[in-house]
Amino acid sequence: GAVVSQHPSWVICKSGTSVKIECRSLDFQATTMFWYRQFPKQSLMLMATSNEGSKATYEQGVEKDKFLINHASLTLSTLTVTSAHPEDSSFYICSALREMGYNEQFFGPGTRLTVL
Amino acid sequence: QQQVKQSPQSLIVQKGGISIINCAYENTAFDYFPWYQQFPGKGPALLIAIRPDVSEKKEGRFTISFNKSAKQFSLHIMDSQPGDSATYFCAASSQAGTALIFGKGTTLSVSS
Repeated sequence: GAVVSQHPSWVICKSGTSVKIECRSLDFQATTMFWYRQFPKQSLMLMATSNEGSKATYEQGVEKDKFLINHASLTLSTLTVTSAHPEDSSFYICSALREMGYNEQFFGPGTRLTVL
Repeated sequence: QQQVKQSPQSLIVQKGGISIINCAYENTAFDYFPWYQQFPGKGPALLIAIRPDVSEKKEGRFTISFNKSAKQFSLHIMDSQPGDSATYFCAASSQAGTALIFGKGTTLSVSS
């Protein structure tokens, strides 16, 4: 149990285009999901907290108009990188919070975004 | 006060040896301390987690030791295997369900 999927696993796009990344909790419902960004050989940096049915909470320094987050259901959150630029190239990872007795976060496999 | 400090940055252990990774935190409100294992190009996988009401938790070859007074916790990997070679992250959060604060990670290499 506790499986989180991401789609796509990798994507290459041209500068100026938008890219949507999906995060799904496959075997549990998740009111809360998180989006992280990870640069090579670095730790995970929290970008935003996604809550089902409400607006996402963004960390300081993260442009909410550039990284659009929608948590439309208890099993799906999406991150859309709008007007992508090469500096947005990174490894994007989502996690979903499983609330069973006590809460645990489970991570998706990540999405590698390359902006040309 | 939100930091989680992890050491060492890298670690080389012989097959069969014990790998030890340490973390220290500052925020006394933290009450959930998980360890994640990450292989290159993959998302982190939850390995083991502990809460402050116990001082040790063991799952197979993996053990977390927790020292509340010192605000430190550590991961011990017994009988380390080449397949354990990965990056390990400690993390902490307050009020389970809030965002995790991650350490900078430890790259473990187990030589055969």
